Amino acid sequence: AQSVTQPDIHITVSEGASLELRCNYSYGATPYLFWYVQSPGQGLQLLLKYFSGDTLVQGIKGFEAEFKRSQSSFNLRKPSVHWSDAAEYFCAVGAMVYNNNDMRFGAGTRLTVKP
Amino acid sequence: EPEVTQTPSHQVTQMGQEVILRCVPISNHLYFYWYRQILGQKVEFLVSFYNNEISEKSEIFDDQFSVERPDGSNFTLKIRSTKLEDSAMYFCASSLQSEQFFGPGTRLTVL
Repeated sequence: AQSVTQPDIHITVSEGASLELRCNYSYGATPYLFWYVQSPGQGLQLLLKYFSGDTLVQGIKGFEAEFKRSQSSFNLRKPSVHWSDAAEYFCAVGAMVYNNNDMRFGAGTRLTVKP
Repeated sequence: EPEVTQTPSHQVTQMGQEVILRCVPISNHLYFYWYRQILGQKVEFLVSFYNNEISEKSEIFDDQFSVERPDGSNFTLKIRSTKLEDSAMYFCASSLQSEQFFGPGTRLTVL
């Protein structure tokens, strides 16, 4: 089964600074990759997804992520962080196996934005 | 835009009681899922459901859990005898193919 590692439990950046959240996955075939954001007490909002094609994907709120097969990574980036970006970010990997669309989440990275 | 809905938004129950969490998936979706998120922890897969049967379940999904699609629209998660450690946010999701769409969650509090 697939698995996801988010090495950074907590990251603090200053408002206006750039951001990169790391995600590494383990899966034998080409995975489907996702980034979700969760504000406290809220549900999961999809930021972006990768299924195939261009390895640099654009998402909502100015986020992007790059799929690097050689590194088994799907890092999330944003050039200039806003205070409203403070939240928990989850990377997830999915795979379409017979009769089952299997998704696993990473442990999450909590983002704090300093003024 | 179609969305997954869940009711109730918050359920409080006594330990040992049965609870049923309800979900209405997106109408043309074929795959249905339940996930759990204990406060401050990651989202954990519980079970997937396709063609009126369980496709896969995690080790968390033991005999106290069951799922059902009683009619053409609802998808339910039943916890037979709740324990304190069942307190969590429960998310339902549905998909047509690879992308899962999540509901807003039901917060279950077991006292």
